[in-house]
Amino acid sequence: GESVGLHLPTLSVQEGDNSIINCAYSNSASDYFIWYKQESGKGPQFIIDIRSNMDKRQGQRVTVLLNKTVKHLSLQIAATQPGDSAVYFCAETHQAGTALIFGKGTTLSVSS
Amino acid sequence: GAGVSQSPRYKVAKRGQDVALRCDPISGHVSLFWYQQALGQGPEFLTYFQNEAQLDKSGLPSDRFFAERPEGSVSTLKIQRTQQEDSAVYLCASSLSTNEKLFFGSGTQLSVL
Repeated sequence: GESVGLHLPTLSVQEGDNSIINCAYSNSASDYFIWYKQESGKGPQFIIDIRSNMDKRQGQRVTVLLNKTVKHLSLQIAATQPGDSAVYFCAETHQAGTALIFGKGTTLSVSS
Repeated sequence: GAGVSQSPRYKVAKRGQDVALRCDPISGHVSLFWYQQALGQGPEFLTYFQNEAQLDKSGLPSDRFFAERPEGSVSTLKIQRTQQEDSAVYLCASSLSTNEKLFFGSGTQLSVL
């Protein structure tokens, strides 16, 4: 599968491959993290979230990994499909009701 | 409603005009956020409401931007004397409470000519 060690703005994979999208977050006080998928002309769509008391969480075909030591978040998509093509954003926040802060997006392109 | 609804979907304004963008959050959601998304960029925070109280407006770029949520449900983002740099997609999002996942609307695409 394809993966990126540092944030890259684009990622191209073949259908059926596993994809890994990385994100470095900025605030060590952040304790809640979310991955969003945004398709052209639409608002961001929730994929999966994780709180800082966990280091891994799995959903349907997706897994989020959190490494608080290096402030790194990753999204793994298994068996990537053409419908997964979109821009993916990570977002972080911390207690006290502050807003989600979005990272730089990664455009995932899946070819069949 | 089933999701966050925003209107209008598209808005074209002449420079100097005032515009008003509407957001209908998911019923029962306490928190409401406005974000601005420039082309090719991630959403950037503008302002946040908890019920009718505007708790954070630190992201509003100038005093030409004003938001309200008078009854703790529908919210309006108003931009006075629009400028070309205001052209962007304005996204509204709501959540049950703070520090919970946000549900976004499809946004209003504002073009200032």
